[in-house]
Amino acid sequence: SQTIHQWPATLVQPVGSPLSLECTVEGTSNPNLYWYRQAAGRGLQLLFYSVGIGQISSEVPQNLSASRPQDRQFILSSKKLLLSDSGFYLCAWTHRYGRAFAQETQYFGPGTRLLVL
Amino acid sequence: QQQVKQSPQSLIVQKGGIPIINCAYENTAFDYFPWYQQFPGKGPALLIAIRPDVSEKKEGRFTISFNKSAKQFSLHIMDSQPGDSATYFCAASKGGADGLTFGKGTHLIIQP
Repeated sequence: SQTIHQWPATLVQPVGSPLSLECTVEGTSNPNLYWYRQAAGRGLQLLFYSVGIGQISSEVPQNLSASRPQDRQFILSSKKLLLSDSGFYLCAWTHRYGRAFAQETQYFGPGTRLLVL
Repeated sequence: QQQVKQSPQSLIVQKGGIPIINCAYENTAFDYFPWYQQFPGKGPALLIAIRPDVSEKKEGRFTISFNKSAKQFSLHIMDSQPGDSATYFCAASKGGADGLTFGKGTHLIIQP
């Protein structure tokens, strides 16, 4: 079965410090990968998605970047954190091939809670 | 522009009641409509999903009703239990790799 991991689970960082959040998926190959941010009362905002190694699409221009160095690894980064970067960051994956429902069903990781002070 | 509008923002129902959460969408290209359940501090988990070629789908105590002409869909929870207390998100997709568009969520409390 497939499993998605995120770390760290929680993180407290000062303003202006760098950020690196990691997401890995086990038990599947060639997944589409996604980064979302969830702020209180605002639902889930798609930040980046990737359909393959080195392929990144950005949905919202901001202080963050993403990279996909390996097929099942997705990294969210920032060079200098802002207070507004605080939130709950979720990684998700979907099947890239197969029946349509399988391709569209997103499975979420446990999330990383980031607090920027 | 919010493409999926979800209501109510919060809902309190007595145990055994039937909470109903509504969503409306604007983009007629959407053709996949899932609902996710999220407990505090956890990632969302897929609950049930529907395509617009059917008007209703039931899985256990959870039912999606879909009205294509009105561009609306709703989640009903039968015989609700305190363990159903969570935040529920509707979402929509038009296929492809660019992911889901989510509603803002409904915080549901089932009182014992």
